[in-house]
Amino acid sequence: DTEVTQTPKHLVMGMTNKKSLKCEQHMGHRAMYWYKQKAKKPPELMFVYSYEKLSINESVPSRFSPECPNSSLLNLHLHALQPEDSALYLCASSQDQGNGANVLTFGAGSRLTVL
Amino acid sequence: AQSVAQPEDQVNVAEGNPLTVKCTYSVSGNPYLFWYVQYPNRGLQFLLKYITGDNLVKGSYGFEAEFNKSQTSFHLKKPSALVSDSALYFCAVRDNGAGSYQLTFGKGTKLSVIP
Repeated sequence: DTEVTQTPKHLVMGMTNKKSLKCEQHMGHRAMYWYKQKAKKPPELMFVYSYEKLSINESVPSRFSPECPNSSLLNLHLHALQPEDSALYLCASSQDQGNGANVLTFGAGSRLTVL
Repeated sequence: AQSVAQPEDQVNVAEGNPLTVKCTYSVSGNPYLFWYVQYPNRGLQFLLKYITGDNLVKGSYGFEAEFNKSQTSFHLKKPSALVSDSALYFCAVRDNGAGSYQLTFGKGTKLSVIP
């Protein structure tokens, strides 16, 4: 299995809702990433988990809360979002975080719309 | 600090003609360089990478890229463009001397192959 699977593909939520994005990989990768991508812009790194521990938080607002329940799963919990948080949220994984030559494998993304 | 520049927002090429998507980089150490492609409403897909060795790197779907250290460039090329190559292309770099393995993306270049 060489895929990163993200659910849901589309999510519409109000500013008071609580929702979660889910990401799963079965490649044995030990680093997992959340990126935010606005239309026609490059992905922006949000969080990195290495061996199930949060290693990088790029000063992301607390209304985004990541969780890594095990080595195959990565969640992004959403609460009290703003309309400007509407974007494509991409999950990615790599063998580990310590080798700069590692390739990121991306999921197809979850398209989030905040009303 | 590491950075990537993609000087062209859009490249148009006729089907069957050669294509080039430009990328220049800046790092303090030695670069690890990557090209990714993104089709509409999809995640990023890895095309090729340069780590060390031969300056000409061959990748997926007939794409290749040439690492030029003196010009700090890593341009993506294909001898004969297909309509299906139309997509958004991102160049990315890691600085293997920086102690951090975060990937920095360029702003992206939209490639349109005209039938």
